[in-house]
Amino acid sequence: SQTIHQWPATLVQPVGSPLSLECTVEGTSNPNLYWYRQAAGRGLQLLFYSVGIGQISSEVPQNLSASRPQDRQFILSSKKLLLSDSGFYLCAWRPGLQETQYFGPGTRLLVL
Amino acid sequence: GENVEQHPSTLSVQEGDSAVIKCTYSDSASNYFPWYKQELGKRPQLIIDIRSNVGEKKDQRIAVTLNKTAKHFSLHITETQPEDSAVYFCAASRTGGFKTIFGAGTRLFVKA
Repeated sequence: SQTIHQWPATLVQPVGSPLSLECTVEGTSNPNLYWYRQAAGRGLQLLFYSVGIGQISSEVPQNLSASRPQDRQFILSSKKLLLSDSGFYLCAWRPGLQETQYFGPGTRLLVL
Repeated sequence: GENVEQHPSTLSVQEGDSAVIKCTYSDSASNYFPWYKQELGKRPQLIIDIRSNVGEKKDQRIAVTLNKTAKHFSLHITETQPEDSAVYFCAASRTGGFKTIFGAGTRLFVKA
């Protein structure tokens, strides 16, 4: 069966520090991969999605970037965090030919 | 662009009563409509979905209805229980599309 992992689960970072969040999917190949951010008490904001290795589509211009170095690995990065980057970051995956999307356990990021 | 509107944003019901959450989508090509439940601090999890070739689907106390002509779909929860308290997201996507468009969420409180 398929499994999605995210780490770390929780992160506290100072303003201006770099960020790297990792997401991996097991048990599938060529998935569509997504990064969402959820501010406290708010909805799901799509940040990036990828339909294949090295292919990244950005939905919201900001100081974040994403990379997909391997088929089942999706990384979210920042060179300098802002206070407004705090939130719950969710990775999600979708089988290439299906519509159902599944979420990872999330990373809670607090920027101080 | 594609949009999904969800109402109400907050819903409070007495245990045992029914709850209804309504969504409207803008992309007439949408043909898949999932619903997710997100408990506090957890990831959104798929609870039920419906495809455009079906008007209604039921799973125990949960049912979804779809009106393609009006581009409306709804989630119905009967005999609500305190453990139904959560945020519920509706969503829409289409075959061949890469993105799932989410509603803003409904926070459901079930009072014991």
